[in-house]
Amino acid sequence: EPEVTQTPSHQVTQMGQEVILRCVPISNHLYFYWYRQILGQKVEFLVSFYNNEISEKSEIFDDQFSVERPDGSNFTLKIRSTKLEDSAMYFCASSATRGGAAGELFFGEGSRLTVL
Amino acid sequence: GQQVMQIPQYQHVQEGEDFTTYCNSSTTLSNIQWYKQRPGGHPVFLIQLVKSGEVKKQKRLTFQFGEAKKNSSLHITATQTTDVGTYFCAGFTSGTYKYIFGTGTRLKVLA
Repeated sequence: EPEVTQTPSHQVTQMGQEVILRCVPISNHLYFYWYRQILGQKVEFLVSFYNNEISEKSEIFDDQFSVERPDGSNFTLKIRSTKLEDSAMYFCASSATRGGAAGELFFGEGSRLTVL
Repeated sequence: GQQVMQIPQYQHVQEGEDFTTYCNSSTTLSNIQWYKQRPGGHPVFLIQLVKSGEVKKQKRLTFQFGEAKKNSSLHITATQTTDVGTYFCAGFTSGTYKYIFGTGTRLKVLA
């Protein structure tokens, strides 16, 4: 069964450092998302991406965050200058359609980011 | 902004008992999805509901979408230890590009 893959599974970084989280969505999917989950809490929307541009972003997704699809297969999330409160599990997801039939989100296993 | 709340936050049941989680959106939804997240895992899609008043069943799980398309429920009959995890609803509104996840209900099943 096709799956979304994410790397790294765990990243530890110092406050102020840049971090790039990588995702390979399912190959025929068109919509890509980043969500994050602080331990034990809800799954929070960060950003959605379609047709090589951001479709929608949340208030969390400020100027420190950026996304890119550099080569047609990878989908990356960059945090420019990490803060302690960025510590969370970051999930990448993809879907074939937007909201309608086949709009189910397929999630990767997540990248745990720890900011010290 | 749009909010999606779930109750209860936690539920402990004895194996064999029933379980229900309720999901309420502050805005009318186009559709709603349900996900299950096992401890230490990632959300896994269970089902999508689209029509007002829709009811769908998957074995021991029954999903319902409210008439006003602002609320939904998930009912599990005769829980098993394999049902342990957090259940999230996720609402989609036409014109947006995101699913907003509910606050989740964490289910523990005692054998």
